[in-house]
Amino acid sequence: QSVLTQPPSASGTPGQRVTISCSGSSSNIGSKYAYWYQQLPGTAPKLLIYRDNQRPSGVPDRFSGSKSGISASLAISGLRSEDEADYHCATWDASLSGWVFGGGTKLTVL
Amino acid sequence: EVQLVESGGGLVQPGGSLRLSCSASGFTFSSYVMHWVRKAPGKGLEYVSGISSNGGNTYYTESVKGRFTISRDNSKNTLDLQMSSLRAEDTAVYYCVKDDCTNGVCYLGYWGQGTLVTVSS
Repeated sequence: QSVLTQPPSASGTPGQRVTISCSGSSSNIGSKYAYWYQQLPGTAPKLLIYRDNQRPSGVPDRFSGSKSGISASLAISGLRSEDEADYHCATWDASLSGWVFGGGTKLTVL
Repeated sequence: EVQLVESGGGLVQPGGSLRLSCSASGFTFSSYVMHWVRKAPGKGLEYVSGISSNGGNTYYTESVKGRFTISRDNSKNTLDLQMSSLRAEDTAVYYCVKDDCTNGVCYLGYWGQGTLVTVSS
């Protein structure tokens, strides 16, 4: 059972916009930055969004992050087949004094 | 270019031990906090352990306390995870992760490719 809650799956067609949610509590998402990682099949997780809505160099602006209260969201616009991957949210939990993750969302591009 | 290469994974019986290593290059290893994160089959990512840049402070998730020991050798740019009393639920891909910091805020930045640990009889 993961500390953060994500939908197990999401899907969209090429060109569409999809969003993935990540729900936590006041001790994690509600008071700390949210992070998103993309894990392509057979590869390691790669940082996609940091500090709620910042993109590392090289990440396309089709990917965006937002946060409101105890929930964070990842939006992917102009969906492409190469976006098919697992997406994980993460944050620091002040009560647990450690990093916590969501269960991951498998994105399928139809 | 940052490189993190894990090794040491494999098949081990319940109750057994295994030592994972992570060889780092492409950055000043001794300046960064380092971590181990794992992903069990069909489950989400789970933070396992972390160690400060000089090795003086360590952190363990509750389920591995007393069984796992994290260490580092800054002269050799290596990060280790000694795992003992292994259980079936420790079966996972273990990732070596480098901290990254921006404006004083640090996070799990760069991940190695991972090494698979399977605990089974």
